[in-house]
Amino acid sequence: GAGVSQSPSNKVTEKGKDVELRCDPISGHTALYWYRQSLGQGLEFLIYFQGNSAPDKSGLPSDRFSAERTGGSVSTLTIQRTQQEDSAVYLCASSPREGWSTDTQYFGPGTRLTVL
Amino acid sequence: AQSVTQLDSHVSVSEGTPVLLRCNYSSSYSPSLFWYVQHPNKGLQLLLKYTSAATLVKGINGFEAEFKKSETSFHLTKPSAHMSDAAEYFCVVSDPSGGYNKLIFGAGTRLAVHP
Repeated sequence: GAGVSQSPSNKVTEKGKDVELRCDPISGHTALYWYRQSLGQGLEFLIYFQGNSAPDKSGLPSDRFSAERTGGSVSTLTIQRTQQEDSAVYLCASSPREGWSTDTQYFGPGTRLTVL
Repeated sequence: AQSVTQLDSHVSVSEGTPVLLRCNYSSSYSPSLFWYVQHPNKGLQLLLKYTSAATLVKGINGFEAEFKKSETSFHLTKPSAHMSDAAEYFCVVSDPSGGYNKLIFGAGTRLAVHP
């Protein structure tokens, strides 16, 4: 079956511009996560969506970052006024159930963001 | 707080020889531990996971890992390396403090396999 998909695969933008990154989770998966992979910080958690509840945004690095999930499916991560330190690979993952479980998180291929 | 330390940033082996990638963890809870692999320009793929059942966990592609509570370790092994195993490997611990499965990643170990 189809896995997690992300678009675009690559994004090059100029400092100060806004960008939107999209994630399509596996159909039927209720939990959705965003992570960031950068040279300096490794892989770090950004945000978690759980059904229709308010997301856990505790990993977002600044208020320039926001995310939404529409209809419990597709998610968009928005970065406003991009900075060079935002350059990274942004990974999305989904898993079948919400809450505390050991369900496997299935990762998408990522969006490579480069801020010039 | 939950954390993982991967003891080697780079490991190089010859094809057909054993692989050992070392990981130590710290957890305030009974830990759930994972190994993920990332091939160049590919997404993360789960190799195996430990969830308090058997301490020796078998994964895909001949990999296995043993959970040792006394040593707080979860090392990844494979008896015989293949060229296709060349990739970056991440040891991961789950942080359940928020009521969900937040993954905390190690810094990664890059495995090189030589003919």
